[in-house]
Amino acid sequence: DAKTTQPTSMDCAEGRAANLPCNHSTISGNEYVYWYRQIHSQGPQYIIHGLKNNETNEMASLIITEDRKSSTLILPHATLRDTAVYYCIVCAPRGTDKLIFGTGTRLQVFP
Amino acid sequence: NAGVTQTPKFQVLKTGQSMTLQCAQDMNHEYMSWYRQDPGMGLRLIHYSVGAGITDQGEVPNGYNVSRSTTEDFPLRLLSAAPSQTSVYFCASSYNRDILAQYFGPGTRLTVT
Repeated sequence: DAKTTQPTSMDCAEGRAANLPCNHSTISGNEYVYWYRQIHSQGPQYIIHGLKNNETNEMASLIITEDRKSSTLILPHATLRDTAVYYCIVCAPRGTDKLIFGTGTRLQVFP
Repeated sequence: NAGVTQTPKFQVLKTGQSMTLQCAQDMNHEYMSWYRQDPGMGLRLIHYSVGAGITDQGEVPNGYNVSRSTTEDFPLRLLSAAPSQTSVYFCASSYNRDILAQYFGPGTRLTVT
């Protein structure tokens, strides 16, 4: 069962903010939202995760709506190296004990 | 730290052959997992382990075995390779099972002819 819905692809101009949406309308109260990305031919890379509060780290910001049914990953100043497939995943601690990757959003950053 | 290492990087097998894909991490992580990635399919979980001596099945476990005798190592065994197992295999680890902020290895590209 797909627990998240993401657009198949998005474009973003270099230097601009990239805002990647994710819908997780059936999220449970103890489930975290995780974001990963995969640059072509490389292993996936963890970006950020959150439960209900907005989170920021050196890579990105995660904005989770108050009802937790959707979230947005923000790359504040996209570069060409941010071109990748971005995955939004929900998972509870010690719930299923596993991340299930969907098909993600292919972000293309152009000059 | 070397992080998560995988060997070999590339492998070609004939149908029916067996082999082991190696995965090791030097971060003292409890949780480790194996994924396969096929074109258009995204990443699919094969097996995972929440600690030494404990393993469990993921989405696509058939045809694969795993064991976790130490915290550091989590090998994936193909007992009788089939062309359907041609894929890129990724190993990953995270500190524990509570927060799955995983570090991934560079992958092994396996071709079964």
